[in-house]
Amino acid sequence: QVTLKESGPGILQPSHTLSLTCSFSGFSLTNNGEGVSWIRQPSGKGLEWLATIWWNNNTYNNPSLKSRLTVSKDTSNNQAFLKVTSVDTADTATYYCAHMFNSGFFDYWGLGVMVTVSS
Amino acid sequence: DIQITQSPSILSASVGDRVTLSCKTSRNIYSNLAWYQQKLGEAPKLLIYHKDSLQTGIPSRFSGSGSGTDYTLAISSLQPEDVGTYFCQKYYSGYTFGAGTKLELK
Repeated sequence: QVTLKESGPGILQPSHTLSLTCSFSGFSLTNNGEGVSWIRQPSGKGLEWLATIWWNNNTYNNPSLKSRLTVSKDTSNNQAFLKVTSVDTADTATYYCAHMFNSGFFDYWGLGVMVTVSS
Repeated sequence: DIQITQSPSILSASVGDRVTLSCKTSRNIYSNLAWYQQKLGEAPKLLIYHKDSLQTGIPSRFSGSGSGTDYTLAISSLQPEDVGTYFCQKYYSGYTFGAGTKLELK
């Protein structure tokens, strides 16, 4: 059974770096084909894919935020991470991590973590 | 970039109705399309992948179809628990979601 859970700071100030953790079970990011993505959703709005990390350490970022995003993983602890630099109020959203397997759709999602950027 | 457009933005229907939701792309995405349902306050849930493959555990009243640039999600007989927002997502040439269709009960 695949489960994912996001954790983060809740609130942070503009210009700071947002660090998020996705803790998962039911799969391993050492296994061929496995991947974890980060997706966000401002309140009342649509979904925006941010970044993906695959079992082989390949990573892909949304070109619109590419230079601000870093995705990484800790396979020993079954965790994936997202860092977003230089945040501003437009980065206020619920952030989700989601599982992928050998394809481009997201079959399991975490509950999401709300992040507010405010001074 | 391939643009993705969902319609309608809001759909009102009665219990038992057959409803169809549309997702159009600006270029051929070769059936690399998924549909998700999101209920208020919850994470999205995968319904359909590869345009017409039903995800495990999803009721058979949901179905997907289409090809090329035009795709459709159908609900054969609307149930009260189907209320929510539906998003399509392409995974050809990047990952992009449509803006969503909000499905309400009439």
